[in-house]
Amino acid sequence: KAGVTQTPRYLIKTRGQQVTLSCSPISGHRSVSWYQQTPGQGLQFLFEYFSETQRNKGNFPGRFSGRQFSNSRSEMNVSTLELGDSALYLCASSSGNPSYNEQFFGPGTRLTVL
Amino acid sequence: QKEVEQNSGPLSVPEGAIASLNCTYSDRGSQSFFWYRQYSGKSPELIMSIYSNGDKEDGRFTAQLNKASQYVSLLIRDSQPSDSATYLCAVSRYNQGGKLIFGQGTELSVKP
Repeated sequence: KAGVTQTPRYLIKTRGQQVTLSCSPISGHRSVSWYQQTPGQGLQFLFEYFSETQRNKGNFPGRFSGRQFSNSRSEMNVSTLELGDSALYLCASSSGNPSYNEQFFGPGTRLTVL
Repeated sequence: QKEVEQNSGPLSVPEGAIASLNCTYSDRGSQSFFWYRQYSGKSPELIMSIYSNGDKEDGRFTAQLNKASQYVSLLIRDSQPSDSATYLCAVSRYNQGGKLIFGQGTELSVKP
């Protein structure tokens, strides 16, 4: 079974720009969660999409948004980029069953904001 | 108080020894518990999940959960240099679906 894929793997942007990251979950998985990982803050939850609906949301500003398509693929958008948005962005795929919610991570997108 | 706390590390053990990694959590509503391994420059890899009190063994790995003490641990037997990585503890509530709360991680170094 193919794993979670994320594109692009690396991005360099400048302050004020916007960026869109993509995630394709494991076949059959309906839930996609997004996380931001930085050396200072560690892994922090951004949001989760299940069946095209945002099911959970973390404590990030509205500049961070996402969506999910009918094939479960998900995109995350960050508008008006700030230097502090430089991070590894990870998506994780799961079946969406809350009683068995093992999550499997993709390779991540490394975003650098200059 | 952080929601999920782990040994600050780094933890260094000799090859063949048992490595013990600890994690405490503050939310008594937490119901699912996970251990991830993350090699430098890579994404986290799920190695163990545990949902009920007691021990769960998988190969050289044993996860232990004590909900009354809000404590979860990971034991790695016969540690190998290839086990050298950062180990992340994560917890979630049943009613919060795919939201995992992670600890800061413990860096493990296994010396040959």
